[in-house]
Amino acid sequence: DQQVKQNSPSLSVQEGRISILNCDYTNSMFDYFLWYKKYPAEGPTFLISISSIKDKNEDGRFTVFLNKSAKHLSLHIVPSQPGDSAVYFCAAITGGTSGTYKYIFGTGTRLKVLA
Amino acid sequence: NAGVTQTPKFRVLKTGQSMTLLCAQDMNHEYMYWYRQDPGMGLRLIHYSVGEGTTAKGEVPDGYNVSRLKKQNFLLGLESAAPSQTSVYFCASREDSRPYEQYFGPGTRLTVT
Repeated sequence: DQQVKQNSPSLSVQEGRISILNCDYTNSMFDYFLWYKKYPAEGPTFLISISSIKDKNEDGRFTVFLNKSAKHLSLHIVPSQPGDSAVYFCAAITGGTSGTYKYIFGTGTRLKVLA
Repeated sequence: NAGVTQTPKFRVLKTGQSMTLLCAQDMNHEYMYWYRQDPGMGLRLIHYSVGEGTTAKGEVPDGYNVSRLKKQNFLLGLESAAPSQTSVYFCASREDSRPYEQYFGPGTRLTVT
């Protein structure tokens, strides 16, 4: 069963506008939620995280919102730039300690920012 | 700093052949991971290591073996390749204090015919 779901396989946004990428999860025991960005022929790179006890985390143009009652998180990119065009993976961490953490990744959303 | 490197970048195997994928990191990270990525699926954890000399099974370990003889290297072996193992393989590492930030290698694209 897919514990972390990204229901939109792709998204197109005009340069300068807001991009909103969504992710739903089923496990209430996740400790952290993460967003990774992946360009073609490269490995994913870490973008931003949020602890399960927070509801918002901001880093420059990137903000992640966590709605625990809805089991939903979203990544906002404002303003969107052509260089943001990539596949974005939502992920979650579960497990009691650092040595036993398990990482669950979503299937990814391909963002295209149109110039 | 090279970060995380993977060797080889591409490989084509015939069913039943064996091979080893090498992952190396120069960041002195304790934790290392092997994932596979298939179309329409997220990254799935194959095996991981929490330190030199340790390994543990992830979500999809069958058909793979791993070794971590040196802290900086994590090897993934396929003893008898099957077409179902056609995938892109990513290695990652992280430090103990930042569990949310894994550093990924560029990937190895493996095709088994």
